[in-house]
Amino acid sequence: AQTVTQSQPEMSVQEAETVTLSCTYDTSESDYYLFWYKQPPSRQMILVIRQEAYKQQNATENRFSVNFQKAAKSFSLKISDSQLGDAAMYFCAYRSQTGTASKLTFGTGTRLQVTL
Amino acid sequence: EPEVTQTPSHQVTQMGQEVILRCVPISNHLYFYWYRQILGQKVEFLVSFYNNEISEKSEIFDDQFSVERPDGSNFTLKIRSTKLEDSAMYFCASRRLAGYAGNTQYFGPGTRLTVL
Repeated sequence: AQTVTQSQPEMSVQEAETVTLSCTYDTSESDYYLFWYKQPPSRQMILVIRQEAYKQQNATENRFSVNFQKAAKSFSLKISDSQLGDAAMYFCAYRSQTGTASKLTFGTGTRLQVTL
Repeated sequence: EPEVTQTPSHQVTQMGQEVILRCVPISNHLYFYWYRQILGQKVEFLVSFYNNEISEKSEIFDDQFSVERPDGSNFTLKIRSTKLEDSAMYFCASRRLAGYAGNTQYFGPGTRLTVL
């Protein structure tokens, strides 16, 4: 079974600075998808960014980018120019490409604080 | 932009009572999921549903749980006899069949279930 590990329970960043959240995963599969979801205090799950394992190019979405290291099974999220609204729980998630309705497997999350 | 919606936002019930949580997935989506998140813990997969049947279910999804798509738009999760440990946030998610966005699950805002 796949597992997702987020080793940083909490992180803090100053407004306008850059922060990197770590995620590692364990799988024997070669094709899969990786996601970062944001969960603000409202507890809604919001997709931040996704990465297909077959793509070598790292995904970017505005201020959010990933560093995908397939051999190392690492998928970190970089947030540039941090804003107060970025404060939230961030969950890394894995989805297998096999099977038609594959579930997401989540990590335990990293709580990001953004300070002035 | 289409969204997944869930009702109610908060449900309080007595132990042993039946509850039905409702979800309206995005209209052209074909895969549906339920996840739960106990306060302070990670998001856990419960069940996936495709073509009017369960595709996969977790160990959590025991005989007390059932899912249904009664009318082509709603997707429901029923807990027959609630227990204290069922208190959690329940998230519905949906996904399209194919396409770039087809492998991304979009989450609803969640239903907070409190069992007294």
